[in-house]
Amino acid sequence: QSVLTQPPSASGTPGQRVTISCSGSNSNIGNSFVCWFQQLPGTAPRLLIYRNNERPSGVPDRFSASKSGTSGSLAISGLRSEDEADYFCGAWDDSLSLWVFGGGTRLTVL
Amino acid sequence: EVQLVESGGGLVQPGTSLRLSCAASGFTFDDYAMHWVRQVPGKGLEWVSGISWNSVYIAYADSVKGRFTISRDKAKKSLYLQMNSLKTEDTALYYCARGIGVVVPAAIGSWGQGVLVTVSS
Repeated sequence: QSVLTQPPSASGTPGQRVTISCSGSNSNIGNSFVCWFQQLPGTAPRLLIYRNNERPSGVPDRFSASKSGTSGSLAISGLRSEDEADYFCGAWDDSLSLWVFGGGTRLTVL
Repeated sequence: EVQLVESGGGLVQPGTSLRLSCAASGFTFDDYAMHWVRQVPGKGLEWVSGISWNSVYIAYADSVKGRFTISRDKAKKSLYLQMNSLKTEDTALYYCARGIGVVVPAAIGSWGQGVLVTVSS
């Protein structure tokens, strides 16, 4: 049982815009920054978003994110086949003093 | 280019110990917090432990507290995870990861390729 809650799956067709939600609580998302990770099949996770909505260099601007209260959201526009991957959200939990993650959302590009 | 290379994994019996190492290169090691994150293949991510740039702040997941010890060596630019009293539920791929800042709560940025630890009798 993950501390942060994500839908297990999401899907879209090429060119579409899809969103993935991440729900937490006041001790994590509500009081901290949300980050998002992409994990392509057979590879290590890659940081996509940090500090709620900032992209590391090299991450396309098709990826964007937002945070409201105790929830975060990742949006992928102009969906491509290479976006098919698992996506995880994460945040620091102030009460537990540890990093918590969502269970992951498997994105399928139809 | 940031490189994190883990080593030390393997197959061990329950109750035994193992020490993971992570060799860092391509960045100033002292400028960043470091982490260990594990993942059972096909499952989600579980943060294991984090250590600040100067080793003053260290945190652990409840599942490993008292059994695992994280440490870092400035001269060797290496991160370590001493794992004692291993349990079957510690079986996972262990990733070494670099934070984006000096403190543990800052986002987790770059990741190594991972090292497999299997605990089984």
